Amino acid sequence: EAGVAQSPRYKIIEKRQSVAFWCNPISGHATLYWYQQILGQGPKLLIQFQNNGVVDDSQLPKDRFSAERLKGVDSTLKIQPAKLEDSAVYLCASSLVGNSYEQYFGPGTRLTVT
Amino acid sequence: GQNIDQPTEMTATEGAIVQINCTYQTSGFNGLFWYQQHAGEAPTFLSYNVLDGLEEKGRFSSFLSRSKGYSYLLLKELQMKDSASYLCALDPGGSYIPTFGRGTSLIVHP
Repeated sequence: EAGVAQSPRYKIIEKRQSVAFWCNPISGHATLYWYQQILGQGPKLLIQFQNNGVVDDSQLPKDRFSAERLKGVDSTLKIQPAKLEDSAVYLCASSLVGNSYEQYFGPGTRLTVT
Repeated sequence: GQNIDQPTEMTATEGAIVQINCTYQTSGFNGLFWYQQHAGEAPTFLSYNVLDGLEEKGRFSSFLSRSKGYSYLLLKELQMKDSASYLCALDPGGSYIPTFGRGTSLIVHP
């Protein structure tokens, strides 16, 4: 079974630029999550999708971050404009249903903002 | 909110047993997670405790005491590949979304 795929794996941008990350969850997984993991900290949930609807985006900085999951499969997370403090690893995870405690994480995208 | 406390770093010897503690302050939670994260890799699920007591899964066991606000992850017969960060996380609302602590970096040496 293929795991959660993410791209790119690494990205370096300058502050005020825009960036987008892509995630393809495990086939059949209805629930998709985006996390931000700053160096030395645990991951923090940014947004949760159930199919193509948003379940929880309370911790998403909506002035600069946006995310979509148009067809209920792939998802993109965008930052516009980026700030230095956005430097982090962005992890995508998926689970079979929203009430499954086992989430499967992708390898992450390491973003460096200079 | 939740406050989760874990030691920042621990070292142990190959073949030994190590206990990684996690204490927390919270107004309530549904369950407690443990995840393993190797450097530069994604977290992988280890356990989810709802009830007090010890749950064993191979070389890894997880314990929860709600009355004491305390959990631990026990790793037996340590192997070099167990060198990783171990993340304790709470499930505050029963939605199975972990609220992570900072994690404990475990270094296993020969």
